[in-house]
Amino acid sequence: DAGVIQSPRHEVTEMGQEVTLRCKPISGHDYLFWYRQTMMRGLELLIYFNNNVPIDDSGMPEDRFSAKMPNASFSTLKIQPSEPRDSAVYFCASSFRQSLDGYTFGSGTRLTVV
Amino acid sequence: SQQGEEDPQALSIQEGENATMNCSYKTSINNLQWYRQNSGRGLVHLILIRSNEREKHSGRLRVTLDTSKKSSSLLITASRAADTASYFCATLHSGYSTLTFGKGTMLLVSP
Repeated sequence: DAGVIQSPRHEVTEMGQEVTLRCKPISGHDYLFWYRQTMMRGLELLIYFNNNVPIDDSGMPEDRFSAKMPNASFSTLKIQPSEPRDSAVYFCASSFRQSLDGYTFGSGTRLTVV
Repeated sequence: SQQGEEDPQALSIQEGENATMNCSYKTSINNLQWYRQNSGRGLVHLILIRSNEREKHSGRLRVTLDTSKKSSSLLITASRAADTASYFCATLHSGYSTLTFGKGTMLLVSP
């Protein structure tokens, strides 16, 4: 397996634009997590899915953030409109058996909003 | 906050030396996990220790867990320059479904 695949690796966008981050989890993993990493706040869980169903989105900072998982092999995190304070590295991770085993992380998307 | 705390925040050692990092947490856990993050990359799962375990080994890694003190330590023996990375502890707290990550320890191993 190629691991968790995220795209794009880097994204630079202007304030107010829509940003879509993509993730392909490991085949067979039934949990998918979106995290945001900043120097100030560390790793924050934004939302997670189980079998494509959103379970907890309490970490999503604002209504500008939305996430979908239309099938077991694809998820998106969308920010509309984007703001400079959204600049961060966004990670997708997947796991089997929730948190009883380790998570496999993607390489992340570094988002810069100018 | 459920977030664990790693100590020290940064550690600088020479190749061949041992590196010890600590993690403290506040409420009871089901398991505790350690991850490594190389610069510009995602986190990589290293080792998991369950609440009823006291010590685990994996290659040059040794993890201990003291639930009475709510703390864990990660020991990397005979460190190498390639071990240079940030190391995070992550806890699965009782009654919760997802891991909570600490802010990490930055380890620098000089040749």
